[in-house]
Amino acid sequence: EDKVVQSPLSLVVHEGDTVTLNCSYEVTNFRSLLWYKQEKKAPTFLFMLTSSGIEKKSGRLSSILDKKELFSILNITATQTGDSAVYLCAVEAPAAGNKLTFGGGTRVLVKP
Amino acid sequence: NAGVMQNPRHLVRRRGQEARLRCSPMKGHSHVYWYRQLPEEGLKFMVYLQKENIIDESGMPKERFSAEFPKEGPSILRIQQVVRGDSAAYFCASSPLSEWYYTFGSGTRLTVV
Repeated sequence: EDKVVQSPLSLVVHEGDTVTLNCSYEVTNFRSLLWYKQEKKAPTFLFMLTSSGIEKKSGRLSSILDKKELFSILNITATQTGDSAVYLCAVEAPAAGNKLTFGGGTRVLVKP
Repeated sequence: NAGVMQNPRHLVRRRGQEARLRCSPMKGHSHVYWYRQLPEEGLKFMVYLQKENIIDESGMPKERFSAEFPKEGPSILRIQQVVRGDSAAYFCASSPLSEWYYTFGSGTRLTVV
């Protein structure tokens, strides 16, 4: 069974800090890994990663994938209170059709 | 583009009643997915549908749960004879035929009392 594990479960930081979120996975025939941000309602798409070692960047957020060690990290620099959310990692594998397997999420709280 | 629309946003049902959750995918999206999120847990896949077809229902409980995506109209997730353990947020997502990353709706929060 495909498995996705995120760490830490939660963390509290102050504005301006940098946070690093981890996602490790075990899937058969990995295709891609995705990061979502979930605030009070719908998860919103952040990144899709398919290749190792290529950093994806969007503003203060960046993410990278290591397909050899089977993990990804999501970095948020110069955090703001608006970054407070649950960050979800998911993997897609062809054997699973088009469905995603999600990790349990990391809850980030950014204090002013 | 209105995005993925789910309704109702909140639904309260007494034990034993039926719950019907609706999902209208984004315009041009023909793939619909339902996920359930229990309190303090990640999203768990339930079912994947295309128009008039269930493609993968491996995440659906064997009893009381059903889903459809008719030729016309929204996708419906139906839960019969609800129990307290069905209380959760139910998210629908859609994707276009040729891509696979989803857009999620805002979810329906079901509370069974």
